[in-house]
Formats: sequence, structure tokens, C-alpha cells
Amino acid sequence: EVQLLESGGGLVQPGGSLRLSCAAAGFTFSTYAMVWVRQAPGKGLEWVSAISVGGVNTYYADSVKGRFSISRDNSKNTVYLQMSSLRAEDTAVYYCAKDDGGGSLEHFHHWGQGTLVTVSS
Amino acid sequence: QSVLTQPPSVSAAPGQKVTISCSGSSSNIGNNYVSWYQQLPGTAPKLLIYDNNKRPSGIPDRFSGSRSGTSATLGIAGLQTGDEADYYCGTWDRSLSAGVFGTGTKVTVL
Repeated sequence: EVQLLESGGGLVQPGGSLRLSCAAAGFTFSTYAMVWVRQAPGKGLEWVSAISVGGVNTYYADSVKGRFSISRDNSKNTVYLQMSSLRAEDTAVYYCAKDDGGGSLEHFHHWGQGTLVTVSS
Repeated sequence: QSVLTQPPSVSAAPGQKVTISCSGSSSNIGNNYVSWYQQLPGTAPKLLIYDNNKRPSGIPDRFSGSRSGTSATLGIAGLQTGDEADYYCGTWDRSLSAGVFGTGTKVTVL
């Protein structure tokens, strides 16, 4: 059974940093691209970032480019999202998801339960 | 601000059919596969449709998807109270080199 477990969320002040982790199990992690998606309170889904199988290729939404960094450790079956210069508008539940489109990043069958990030003073 | 536009809400009586549109452009829907997700309150999104019209195992055939040009459509037939949820389309955008989701549609069963 595929399992994705996010952690690292919490309360952080504007301008601060936070690192999210997503631990994967139940599949060969190193052969799948991974993605982060967020959802602000009462709002829709927003695609945030993705990383290719080997970690060479990374992609970011314009809203987080230059502030967020995605990485992965295939030996630990974990994908990370390093967030810096956080803003109030980054407040959201952050989900990690597994790319099931063979690297196309077009659909995600498996999602984590999400971790809440709150940016507030 | 999403590049994929959906109607904010649709509604119908139990047993009826609803359709949800997702309008994009040649850089996203026009040249990439579309997926659809159902999100119940307080839960993670659930994949309903992928590659425009394919259903993952366990998704009933009441749910259908199609794509024409730069638009896609999700259909829900035989509407049930359990279908009340938010629905999102999604795909890849070649111009942005990023994924995109639709604005979301709330389905209400009258």
C-alpha cells in the first residue's frame, strides 16, 4: 500500500523558514517524480513544486520561485520542501503527492494527509 | 491565480447528471493530459480521471472525462449525496513549466 506522510508544518513568523518532509512507503520511491501541492484555508488547490526521479530537474510555481527549494533523498525515501522568506499568503495545508504519469507530472493518484503551515506573527 | 477556469458551482437533484467544464489554453489542456480530482471537506484530493478519460481502479463509471481542444469536461451521472464535494481539473503547463489546477467547482446535490 502506498503511503505518504508529511511532517514539519507549524507556526512560523513572516520572513522565517521551515522544512517540510514527506516520507514515502509502499512503492519504489526512486523511480517516481514527486510533487508538492498546497491549499490555503477555504481556497483551491495550488501546485507548488515538483522534482524528477533523480532530482536533477526541479520545477516551481512562480509564487514560490526563489523562496522554496525541493529536494529528495532516495536512500531515505523522502522528499523535502525547504521554504524561506515565508509570507502570510504561504499559509496553507501542504500535500505531497506521487506522480503517476510516468514523469509527465499530469496526474497524482496517491496523496499524503497534508501538513499545515501557518505564517503569522 | 489559476490558468484553468471552472464554474464555481453546479447543482442537480439526486440521480441527475452534472458536467463541470475546465477551460485552458494550448500550453496546458491543448497539449497535455487532463486529470480530475474530488475533494471532500478536510480530506486530501482523490484522483477520479486521468489521461483525459481514464478511471483509476475503484472509481465508478458514473464519472467520465473528455477533452476537446483547450477545454475538458468532467461528467457525474446518477448523482448521489456522497458526490457533494469540490472538484478540480489539473494538468501540466508547457509555458509555465509547472503544473496547474483549475479554480475548483463545488457540486451540490439538491
